Amino acid sequence: DAMVIQNPRYQVTQFGKPVTLSCSQTLNHNVMYWYQQKSSQAPKLLFHYYDKDFNNEADTPDNFQSRRPNTSFCFLDIRSPGLGDAAMYLCATSKRGEADTQYFGPGTRLTVL
Amino acid sequence: KQEVTQIPAALSVPEGENLVLNCSFTDSAIYNLQWFRQDPGKGLTSLLLIQSSQREQTSGRLNASLDKSSGRSTLYIAASQPGDSATYLCAVISGGYNKLIFGAGTRLAVHP
Repeated sequence: DAMVIQNPRYQVTQFGKPVTLSCSQTLNHNVMYWYQQKSSQAPKLLFHYYDKDFNNEADTPDNFQSRRPNTSFCFLDIRSPGLGDAAMYLCATSKRGEADTQYFGPGTRLTVL
Repeated sequence: KQEVTQIPAALSVPEGENLVLNCSFTDSAIYNLQWFRQDPGKGLTSLLLIQSSQREQTSGRLNASLDKSSGRSTLYIAASQPGDSATYLCAVISGGYNKLIFGAGTRLAVHP
């Protein structure tokens, strides 16, 4: 089945130790998104790629970076995780843009010790 | 700035009840509205998407309506079942690019 896959499902890192989260998709969608969802809160968009064009949200901290080496893969890099970065990180895709359904992966739960 | 509000924050009902979840948004200039389901510790599952030109969408026991002018959407769940227990999130896309703005969700518990 075509889908959005996130690895790992659970990630534990130490304060300040860089971490990379991975997302892949078999849907051949143009757009890939990264959302952060803290406990009992609404998901919040960090950034998205439309093909190779990177779009950063104005309030996304510089600590968060992203890479999209090809259509299928997108990575979220957290350069120096703080305790406040502990959250569920959700990857999503959509075929093109505003009118299309966004499909979400199962998420990666990040714990920062 | 678009804001999305969901009421109630939590709801507990006996099995078999029909129920309505509410979503409101402050800026009526939206591209679409999407309802999601989220099980504890899991990702989001898309339930229904309503384009801005549509009034409602149906899927099985779910019916979502959209009134853009008043900034409201409702998700109607017929004959609720314990398996419907989850958090239901609504989200809109507005502002001209691909950004879903979410409400905080309604946590639904359906008890046998």
